[in-house]
Amino acid sequence: AQKVTQAQTEISVVEKEDVTLDCVYETRDTTYYLFWYKQPPSGELVFLIRRNSFDEQNEISGRYSWNFQKSTSSFNFTITASQVVDSAVYFCALSEFYGGSQGNLIFGKGTKLSVKP
Amino acid sequence: GAVVSQHPSWVICKSGTSVKIECRSLDFQATTMFWYRQFPKQSLMLMATSNEGSKATYEQGVEKDKFLINHASLTLSTLTVTSAHPEDSSFYICSARGGDRGISFYEQYFGPGTRLTVT
Repeated sequence: AQKVTQAQTEISVVEKEDVTLDCVYETRDTTYYLFWYKQPPSGELVFLIRRNSFDEQNEISGRYSWNFQKSTSSFNFTITASQVVDSAVYFCALSEFYGGSQGNLIFGKGTKLSVKP
Repeated sequence: GAVVSQHPSWVICKSGTSVKIECRSLDFQATTMFWYRQFPKQSLMLMATSNEGSKATYEQGVEKDKFLINHASLTLSTLTVTSAHPEDSSFYICSARGGDRGISFYEQYFGPGTRLTVT
């Protein structure tokens, strides 16, 4: 069965610290997509990244970086030099390529990140 | 591109009344739309999936007679919460997925959400 686990419910850091949000997934498919979304207090989901299962290259976008490791079924997200504006709930999600739920998103429970000044 | 709007952004209604929430894809054709519900401090839970012109597919445990979904066009889906009760108070988010203009079939574009409070 498909499943996304974000074991960290809440993380609190001080500004400028680096922080890594963990995401572990389960799927029977060999072809799938992984996503990260940010949900600030306003509630609107902000798309951060999509990665397909054939692309294990790590990605960096400014202060954000993602580490995709198929061997451990993990897709971790690191924020370098965190800022107060990074405070939000972050969701990891999985989308399968085949089967009845093709393209449907399976969300993890989210990690609430609080960055204190 | 790929913008999804929701209306209203928030609504307060009395118990027993019905509320309609609209979800529109503004610049692409949404062959599939999704409706999610999010309770405070919880994750998004998929309620139903709708394809244009056909009946919605509801997730287990979601009452189809209570949450009426209509996807009458490629740019509009509506969710009507009938006879709303306080336990229906939640944040409702829609998303849209298309396959045109280079948009990936596997990409869902999310609306800003609608906060429903039933008193």
